[in-house]
Amino acid sequence: DQQVKQNSPSLSVQEGRISILNCDYTNSMFDYFLWYKKYPAEGPTFLISISSIKDKNEDGRFTVFLNKSAKHLSLHIVPSQPGDSAVYFCAASGGSGGSNYKLTFGKGTLLTVNP
Amino acid sequence: DSGVTQTPKHLITATGQRVTLRCSPRSGDLSVYWYQQSLDQGLQFLIQYYNGEERAKGNILERFSAQQFPDLHSELNLSSLELGDSALYFCASSRSTDTQYFGPGTRLTVL
Repeated sequence: DQQVKQNSPSLSVQEGRISILNCDYTNSMFDYFLWYKKYPAEGPTFLISISSIKDKNEDGRFTVFLNKSAKHLSLHIVPSQPGDSAVYFCAASGGSGGSNYKLTFGKGTLLTVNP
Repeated sequence: DSGVTQTPKHLITATGQRVTLRCSPRSGDLSVYWYQQSLDQGLQFLIQYYNGEERAKGNILERFSAQQFPDLHSELNLSSLELGDSALYFCASSRSTDTQYFGPGTRLTVL
Protein backbone atom coordinates (compact mmCIF):
# COMPACT_ATOMS: atom_id res chain seq x y z
CA ASP A 1 0.00 0.00 0.00
CA GLN A 2 1.90 2.99 -1.30
CA GLN A 3 0.61 6.03 0.55
CA VAL A 4 2.90 8.51 -1.21
CA LYS A 5 3.28 8.23 -4.95
CA GLN A 6 5.58 9.92 -7.40
CA ASN A 7 4.30 8.68 -10.72
CA SER A 8 7.09 10.11 -12.87
CA PRO A 9 10.31 8.15 -12.42
CA SER A 10 12.22 10.76 -14.40
CA LEU A 11 11.99 14.29 -15.76
CA SER A 12 14.26 16.15 -18.14
CA VAL A 13 14.26 19.94 -18.53
CA GLN A 14 16.41 22.61 -20.11
CA GLU A 15 18.53 24.91 -17.99
CA GLY A 16 16.64 28.09 -17.14
CA ARG A 17 13.22 26.54 -17.57
CA ILE A 18 10.79 25.47 -14.86
CA SER A 19 10.92 21.98 -13.34
CA ILE A 20 7.67 20.67 -11.89
CA LEU A 21 7.77 17.53 -9.79
CA ASN A 22 4.53 15.97 -8.68
CA CYS A 23 3.46 13.86 -5.74
CA ASP A 24 0.15 12.30 -4.72
CA TYR A 25 -0.85 10.88 -1.36
CA THR A 26 -3.72 8.75 -0.13
CA ASN A 27 -3.67 9.17 3.66
CA SER A 28 -5.82 12.17 4.55
CA MET A 29 -4.24 12.24 8.03
CA PHE A 30 -0.90 13.41 6.66
CA ASP A 31 -0.39 16.97 7.85
CA TYR A 32 3.19 17.83 6.94
CA PHE A 33 4.91 17.38 3.61
CA LEU A 34 8.56 17.66 2.67
CA TRP A 35 10.76 17.50 -0.39
CA TYR A 36 14.25 16.07 -0.25
CA LYS A 37 16.97 16.04 -2.87
CA LYS A 38 19.35 13.13 -3.07
CA TYR A 39 22.61 12.53 -4.90
CA PRO A 40 23.94 8.98 -5.33
CA ALA A 41 25.77 7.64 -2.26
CA GLU A 42 24.65 10.60 -0.13
CA GLY A 43 21.87 11.11 2.37
CA PRO A 44 18.67 12.98 1.44
CA THR A 45 19.03 16.75 1.79
CA PHE A 46 16.03 18.69 3.06
CA LEU A 47 14.76 21.26 0.54
CA ILE A 48 11.41 22.66 1.56
CA SER A 49 8.32 21.72 3.51
CA ILE A 50 4.69 22.70 3.84
CA SER A 51 2.12 22.27 6.56
CA SER A 52 -1.40 21.18 5.71
CA ILE A 53 -2.74 24.54 6.89
CA LYS A 54 -1.01 26.25 3.97
CA ASP A 55 -1.32 25.84 0.23
CA LYS A 56 1.99 27.38 -0.82
CA ASN A 57 5.47 27.79 0.56
CA GLU A 58 8.34 29.50 -1.20
CA ASP A 59 12.08 29.46 -0.58
CA GLY A 60 14.25 31.05 -3.22
CA ARG A 61 13.96 29.10 -6.46
CA PHE A 62 11.83 26.42 -4.81
CA THR A 63 8.07 26.59 -4.31
CA VAL A 64 5.85 23.83 -3.00
CA PHE A 65 2.12 23.82 -3.68
CA LEU A 66 -0.38 21.73 -1.74
CA ASN A 67 -3.86 20.86 -2.95
CA LYS A 68 -5.49 19.07 -0.06
CA SER A 69 -8.74 18.29 -1.82
CA ALA A 70 -6.85 16.52 -4.58
CA LYS A 71 -4.27 15.08 -2.16
CA HIS A 72 -1.59 16.43 -4.45
CA LEU A 73 1.54 18.46 -4.01
CA SER A 74 4.10 19.75 -6.43
CA LEU A 75 7.58 21.21 -6.29
CA HIS A 76 8.45 23.99 -8.72
CA ILE A 77 12.07 24.90 -9.39
CA VAL A 78 12.58 28.15 -11.27
CA PRO A 79 14.96 28.64 -12.97
CA SER A 80 16.34 25.12 -13.18
CA GLN A 81 20.10 24.74 -13.02
CA PRO A 82 22.34 21.79 -13.97
CA GLY A 83 23.28 21.43 -10.29
CA ASP A 84 19.64 20.63 -9.55
CA SER A 85 20.06 17.28 -11.31
CA ALA A 86 19.35 14.66 -8.64
CA VAL A 87 16.63 12.38 -7.34
CA TYR A 88 13.82 14.25 -5.61
CA PHE A 89 11.77 12.54 -2.92
CA CYS A 90 8.40 13.62 -1.66
CA ALA A 91 7.69 12.67 1.97
CA ALA A 92 4.78 13.01 4.33
CA SER A 93 4.31 12.75 8.08
CA GLY A 94 1.40 12.61 10.50
CA GLY A 95 -1.45 10.19 10.50
CA SER A 96 -0.09 8.12 13.35
CA GLY A 97 -0.99 10.42 16.21
CA GLY A 98 1.16 11.35 19.17
CA SER A 99 4.68 12.57 18.53
CA ASN A 100 5.53 10.02 15.89
CA TYR A 101 6.84 11.99 12.97
CA LYS A 102 7.98 9.09 10.85
CA LEU A 103 8.26 9.97 7.19
CA THR A 104 6.57 8.05 4.42
CA PHE A 105 8.47 8.51 1.17
CA GLY A 106 7.59 8.31 -2.48
CA LYS A 107 9.86 6.32 -4.80
CA GLY A 108 11.53 9.46 -6.14
CA THR A 109 11.82 11.32 -9.44
CA LEU A 110 15.14 11.65 -11.22
CA LEU A 111 15.47 15.22 -12.46
CA THR A 112 17.98 15.94 -15.21
CA VAL A 113 18.65 19.57 -16.11
CA ASN A 114 20.37 19.87 -19.45
CA PRO A 115 22.73 22.80 -20.12
CA ASP B 1 26.53 18.99 5.83
CA SER B 2 23.38 18.16 7.80
CA GLY B 3 25.19 17.80 11.12
CA VAL B 4 24.16 14.14 11.41
CA THR B 5 27.06 11.70 11.34
CA GLN B 6 27.01 8.00 10.63
CA THR B 7 29.72 5.37 10.89
CA PRO B 8 30.93 3.34 9.19
CA LYS B 9 30.36 4.59 5.65
CA HIS B 10 30.70 1.13 4.17
CA LEU B 11 30.35 -2.31 5.72
CA ILE B 12 30.93 -5.64 4.02
CA THR B 13 30.12 -8.80 5.91
CA ALA B 14 28.92 -12.36 5.46
CA THR B 15 25.54 -13.98 5.90
CA GLY B 16 24.77 -14.94 9.47
CA GLN B 17 26.94 -12.20 10.95
CA ARG B 18 25.99 -9.30 13.21
CA VAL B 19 26.85 -5.64 12.67
CA THR B 20 26.31 -2.36 14.48
CA LEU B 21 25.65 0.95 12.75
CA ARG B 22 26.20 4.16 14.65
CA CYS B 23 24.53 7.56 14.38
CA SER B 24 25.19 10.87 16.09
CA PRO B 25 22.31 13.34 15.75
CA ARG B 26 22.55 17.09 15.24
CA SER B 27 23.36 19.01 18.38
CA GLY B 28 20.17 19.52 20.37
CA ASP B 29 18.06 17.01 18.47
CA LEU B 30 16.31 14.54 20.73
CA SER B 31 14.71 12.32 18.08
CA VAL B 32 16.60 9.79 16.00
CA TYR B 33 15.07 7.85 13.14
CA TRP B 34 16.43 4.92 11.16
CA TYR B 35 15.52 4.26 7.54
CA GLN B 36 16.47 1.55 5.08
CA GLN B 37 16.82 2.20 1.38
CA SER B 38 16.84 -0.83 -0.85
CA LEU B 39 16.56 -0.92 -4.63
CA ASP B 40 13.05 -2.32 -4.74
CA GLN B 41 11.50 -0.80 -1.60
CA GLY B 42 12.74 2.77 -1.62
CA LEU B 43 13.19 4.59 1.70
CA GLN B 44 11.42 2.73 4.49
CA PHE B 45 11.06 3.84 8.10
CA LEU B 46 12.46 1.35 10.60
CA ILE B 47 12.33 2.84 14.09
CA GLN B 48 12.28 6.10 16.05
CA TYR B 49 13.81 6.98 19.40
CA TYR B 50 13.08 10.10 21.39
CA ASN B 51 15.37 11.07 24.26
CA GLY B 52 16.36 7.47 24.90
CA GLU B 53 12.95 5.88 24.54
CA GLU B 54 11.53 3.94 21.63
CA ARG B 55 8.72 6.02 20.15
CA ALA B 56 7.62 4.23 17.00
CA LYS B 57 8.34 1.12 14.99
CA GLY B 58 7.95 0.63 11.28
CA ASN B 59 8.96 -2.20 9.00
CA ILE B 60 11.75 -3.42 11.24
CA LEU B 61 12.63 -7.10 11.31
CA GLU B 62 12.89 -8.93 14.62
CA ARG B 63 16.56 -9.59 13.80
CA PHE B 64 17.12 -5.83 13.96
CA SER B 65 17.19 -3.74 17.12
CA ALA B 66 18.20 -0.24 18.07
CA GLN B 67 18.86 1.90 21.09
CA GLN B 68 19.54 5.51 21.94
CA PHE B 69 22.09 6.28 24.62
CA PRO B 70 22.12 9.06 27.25
CA ASP B 71 24.39 11.19 25.03
CA LEU B 72 21.64 10.79 22.34
CA HIS B 73 23.71 8.84 19.86
CA SER B 74 21.98 5.77 18.49
CA GLU B 75 23.00 2.35 17.31
CA LEU B 76 21.20 0.01 14.95
CA ASN B 77 22.07 -3.65 15.45
CA LEU B 78 21.50 -6.09 12.60
CA SER B 79 21.93 -9.80 13.34
CA SER B 80 21.70 -13.11 11.48
CA LEU B 81 22.29 -11.13 8.33
CA GLU B 82 20.82 -12.29 5.03
CA LEU B 83 21.64 -11.30 1.47
CA GLY B 84 18.44 -9.27 1.34
CA ASP B 85 19.62 -7.03 4.16
CA SER B 86 22.10 -5.41 1.80
CA ALA B 87 20.96 -1.80 1.56
CA LEU B 88 21.70 1.78 2.50
CA TYR B 89 20.83 2.57 6.11
CA PHE B 90 20.14 6.19 6.95
CA CYS B 91 19.82 7.89 10.27
CA ALA B 92 17.91 11.15 10.63
CA SER B 93 17.39 13.49 13.55
CA SER B 94 14.95 16.21 14.48
CA ARG B 95 13.88 18.42 17.33
CA SER B 96 10.17 18.61 18.11
CA THR B 97 9.26 19.66 14.57
CA ASP B 98 8.62 17.37 11.64
CA THR B 99 11.68 18.28 9.60
CA GLN B 100 14.22 15.49 9.69
CA TYR B 101 17.84 15.91 8.70
CA PHE B 102 19.61 12.90 7.29
CA GLY B 103 23.10 11.57 7.71
CA PRO B 104 25.25 10.34 4.81
CA GLY B 105 24.23 6.72 5.33
CA THR B 106 25.95 3.37 5.81
CA ARG B 107 26.11 1.04 2.83
CA LEU B 108 25.81 -2.54 4.04
CA THR B 109 26.80 -5.36 1.72
CA VAL B 110 26.08 -8.91 2.84
CA LEU B 111 27.96 -11.57 0.85
